[in-house]
Amino acid sequence: EAEVAQSPRYKITEKSQAVAFWCDPISGHATLYWYRQILGQGPELLVQFQDESVVDDSQLPKDRFSAERLKGVDSTLKIQPAELGDSAMYLCASSFRGNNSPLHFGNGTRLTVT
Amino acid sequence: AQSVAQPEDQVNVAEGNPLTVKCTYSVSGNPYLFWYVQYPNRGLQFLLKYITGDNLVKGSYGFEAEFNKSQTSFHLKKPSALVSDSALYFCAVTGGYQKVTFGIGTKLQVIP
Repeated sequence: EAEVAQSPRYKITEKSQAVAFWCDPISGHATLYWYRQILGQGPELLVQFQDESVVDDSQLPKDRFSAERLKGVDSTLKIQPAELGDSAMYLCASSFRGNNSPLHFGNGTRLTVT
Repeated sequence: AQSVAQPEDQVNVAEGNPLTVKCTYSVSGNPYLFWYVQYPNRGLQFLLKYITGDNLVKGSYGFEAEFNKSQTSFHLKKPSALVSDSALYFCAVTGGYQKVTFGIGTKLQVIP
């Protein structure tokens, strides 16, 4: 079964440093999501793409976070500068056709900011 | 604004017994409801969904869920729990064109 690929699996960085995460969705999935999951909580949407266009980034802290999906396939999420409160699991997901379709998640990147 | 409530932080059940994980929701318009399962240090895996039609939805690994419009609930059920079912379960809702909202999760512990 096709999977959503994410890298790295784990990342430790010092505060004020830059960090980047990569995601490759399931082939043919037009919608791509980045979620942040803090321990003990449900996933919180950071940004949603439809093909290469952002359709929802209302919860993305735009002063430090950026996301792109230049060719409408894979995507990168960047944090610069990282803060202690950014420590969390960052999950990428894709779906065939928007929010009515099941989301397929990658295994996430566990970020620790020291 | 849409929301999901999972009132139990943890559910404990003996192996072989039926299990229920509760979920209630609030959304404008017709709801699209989902259940996902998460194992430690892994992403979420889709279990089942309700879009329209029969109120009892069957999904993966023997799980099912019952949609109740009057009670705005979508409880997850399984007739006979397995130790391997122990995991974190998330209910999620969308009104269709809105973003998907997840609950805070319920930890299921199946006791041998």
